[in-house]
Formats: sequence, structure tokens, C-alpha cells
Amino acid sequence: QKEVEQNSGPLSVPEGAIASLNCTYSDRGSQSFFWYRQYSGKSPELIMFIYSNGDKEDGRFTAQLNKASQYVSLLIRDSQPSDSATYLCADNAGNMLTFGGGTRLMVKP
Amino acid sequence: AAGVIQSPRHLIKEKRETATLKCYPIPRHDTVYWYQQGPGQDPQFLISFYEKMQSDKGSIPDRFSAQQFSDYHSELNMSSLELGDSALYFCASSFNGKGNTGELFFGEGSRLTVL
Repeated sequence: QKEVEQNSGPLSVPEGAIASLNCTYSDRGSQSFFWYRQYSGKSPELIMFIYSNGDKEDGRFTAQLNKASQYVSLLIRDSQPSDSATYLCADNAGNMLTFGGGTRLMVKP
Repeated sequence: AAGVIQSPRHLIKEKRETATLKCYPIPRHDTVYWYQQGPGQDPQFLISFYEKMQSDKGSIPDRFSAQQFSDYHSELNMSSLELGDSALYFCASSFNGKGNTGELFFGEGSRLTVL
């Protein structure tokens, strides 16, 4: 069983809608979580990281962490076609990032 | 700002050949990571180095080896290449000293094709 799990999608949302991406993890000792965006054939780029329970907002993005339930989510408000990509959730247990399988997001104009 | 530099960007080899990928981390970053990403897969951690010493080891085949040099650049050596080694190989670097956020900065990747 993977340590970090994501629904592979694709998740399809209309332009302007809220996209909700979810991730669960198995290591209760994990302290920090990262959301990376990856366009096809390109390198992952960091969107947000979160350490504390609750919400963290940055522009159109909100990360949510619930350590009791062991899930992390990423909300993208006012989704744009340029947001279409694969979103990778990762935990930072053990001094390296362990990625989930990624969720492919498609934002339709 | 300087980013992680990887070379070569593209590499084509035949089965049983050897390949070497190079990575130059962001200046003052002390940790280098290697990831392998197959088609449609998420990046899989191979190996990492902290201050030129191997720090963690993931799913790196025995045919692969890596090291970090005194100037902090790293090389991933792959021998007896197999078709299944065809993938994008990402190098990432981070600063793990005081105040670090744990963020990894990724290079553009080296695409290896084994024929």
C-alpha cells in the first residue's frame, strides 16, 4: 500500500468552478505536506506546503490538513484552463518527499 | 534565480549500455535527491545525498549508483540499461539547515530512452 494515496482522476471541472483535490496518508508521524503541480513532460513545481491542522490560503489556492483523519486537500478557486495539470500530493516523512499517484485535473472552458 | 540544472536533457541508449546523468543543485543547497518517473507514474524516490554523504535510499536498482561530489553536484550512473529504465529522471535539491521548509526544488529532468 502506498504511503500517500490520491484519486488518479481525471477530475473535470468547468472554468470558474472550485476544484477539490484530496489526498490521504498512512504515516501518522508525517508532519508536513506539499502540493506540487506537474504539466505533462515538465518538472513538478511547488504550489503550497502545510504543516498545521486547518486551512492555509494563498491566492486562489487553499490547502487543508486534518491530521486526525490523515487527509490533505487542495482547493482551487476560480479554476482556469491553465490549471489543467496533474497535482501531486507529497509528505515529507523521512527527509524525502513521497508522492501520491497524482490527480489529473481538467478545467474545461 | 538559479535553479537546479540537469544534463543531458535527452539521452538515447541501447539495452545493456551505460548512462550518466548530472545534476547541479541550487547554490547553498546541501541535499540532492534523484527521482525516476515512468510514463503516467508519479515520481519514485531513488536516492538522496546530504553534505556529500548518502542519506536515504529508495527504490534504486543495484545497477544504478550515484554520488555527490565536493562541489555538491551529483551524478546518477546507470549500467546494463533495460527497456524499463526509460523514464524521466528528476534531480531536486533542498536546504536542510535551520529554517528549512522541506521544499524540494526540481530540475527540468533528463529523459532517458532505452531502445
